[in-house]
Amino acid sequence: EVQLVESGGGLVQPGGSLRLSCAASGFTFSGSAMHWVRQASGKGLEWVGRIRSKANNYATAYAASVKGRFTISRDDSRNTAYLQMRGLKTEDTALYYCIKQSSLAAVLNNWGQGTLVTVSS
Amino acid sequence: QSVLIQPPSASGTPGQRVTISCSGSRSNIGSNPVTWYQQLPGTAPKLLMYRNDQRPSGVPDRFSGAKSGTSASLAISGLQSEDEADYYCAAWDDSLNGVVFGGGTKLAVL
Repeated sequence: EVQLVESGGGLVQPGGSLRLSCAASGFTFSGSAMHWVRQASGKGLEWVGRIRSKANNYATAYAASVKGRFTISRDDSRNTAYLQMRGLKTEDTALYYCIKQSSLAAVLNNWGQGTLVTVSS
Repeated sequence: QSVLIQPPSASGTPGQRVTISCSGSRSNIGSNPVTWYQQLPGTAPKLLMYRNDQRPSGVPDRFSGAKSGTSASLAISGLQSEDEADYYCAAWDDSLNGVVFGGGTKLAVL
């Protein structure tokens, strides 16, 4: 059974940094692209970015709203994906989901339960 | 404002058929397959439909998808109370080089 467990969320001041982790199990993590999607309270889904597998050179892509501030990485030896967030803004406050992409491009077929990030002074 | 446009709400009575639309552009829906997600209250989203009209295992055949040009739709027939949820369409956008979502449609079963 695929399991994705996010951690690392919390309260951070504007301008601060936070690193989210996503521990994966139940599938071949090293062969899967991983995405992050966020959802502000009561709002819709917003794609944050993704990292592809080693076979695809760990290529990353980001939403314009986070490019240059957020970095996605992965450690295949630990079956873990990361979202490093810097220069946090109040509008980054949201529930952050880690998602496994299926073998089909951009199909997000397994979602974690999310970790809450609150940016506030 | 979301890149993909969905109606904010939809409703129907049990047993009815409901359709949710999703409008995009040439760089997203016009060039790539559409995916639909269902988010039940208080839970994480779940894959509902992929490649426009393909259902993952476990999704009832009451759910169907279609795509034409730069628009897509999700139809739910034989509406049930457990279908009450938020529904999101999504697609890869070649211009933005990322996944774009619709704003979501809240479905009420009256």
